[in-house]
Amino acid sequence: EIVLTQSPGTLSLSPGERATLSCRASQSISSTYLAWYHQKPGQAPRLLIYGASNRATGVPDRFSGSGSGTDFTLTISRLEPEDFAVYYCQHNGASFGQGTKLEIK
Amino acid sequence: EVQLVESGGTLVQPGGSLRLSCAASGFTFSRNWMNWVRQAPGKGLEWVANIKQDGSEKYYLDSVKGRFTISRDNAKNSLYLQMNSLRAEDTAVYFCARSGPPFGFDVWGQGTVVTVSP
Repeated sequence: EIVLTQSPGTLSLSPGERATLSCRASQSISSTYLAWYHQKPGQAPRLLIYGASNRATGVPDRFSGSGSGTDFTLTISRLEPEDFAVYYCQHNGASFGQGTKLEIK
Repeated sequence: EVQLVESGGTLVQPGGSLRLSCAASGFTFSRNWMNWVRQAPGKGLEWVANIKQDGSEKYYLDSVKGRFTISRDNAKNSLYLQMNSLRAEDTAVYFCARSGPPFGFDVWGQGTVVTVSP
């Protein structure tokens, strides 16, 4: 079973800053199988990135994904107020990482 | 509008049973794998089960195998989760989600709350 570990657990930044979130797999995985979501309180998750680097429909281009093997990254180039949420990575349409909370500093 | 609407969540006693439903609209339901994902209070997301377009393949989280059964009725555009032998640790919001782009869940319902408590 592949385990995804996200870091940091909490990231405190200000609007306009750059955010870098990490997702590490317990063994090498194909980038095809890696997705990113965010979730705001009381809402369902929203797909941001699939195939490690492909933006889902309607996702702003300030969101980008990269990585291969065991290390994957979600980057938000300039934070907007609506970006503050919990972010999850997911492998193979199944297991999720434990999440990174992106909070306003 | 593409939409998923869950129903059936309620308070149930440990050892009890419950059937969740998810009604799909706005897309061709029979073309997609479908999933159930849950989120315990204050916790992260946990994938529970999924089912192939024609229902011929089903996969489950280890902790629910033998207790939960996923099914679908393509004629009714509906997804189901039969939950038996419920435990306190099954308490969560249960979301249904569509498998869209390869290995991404692109449409989610709003969730239905299941509480397992005496």
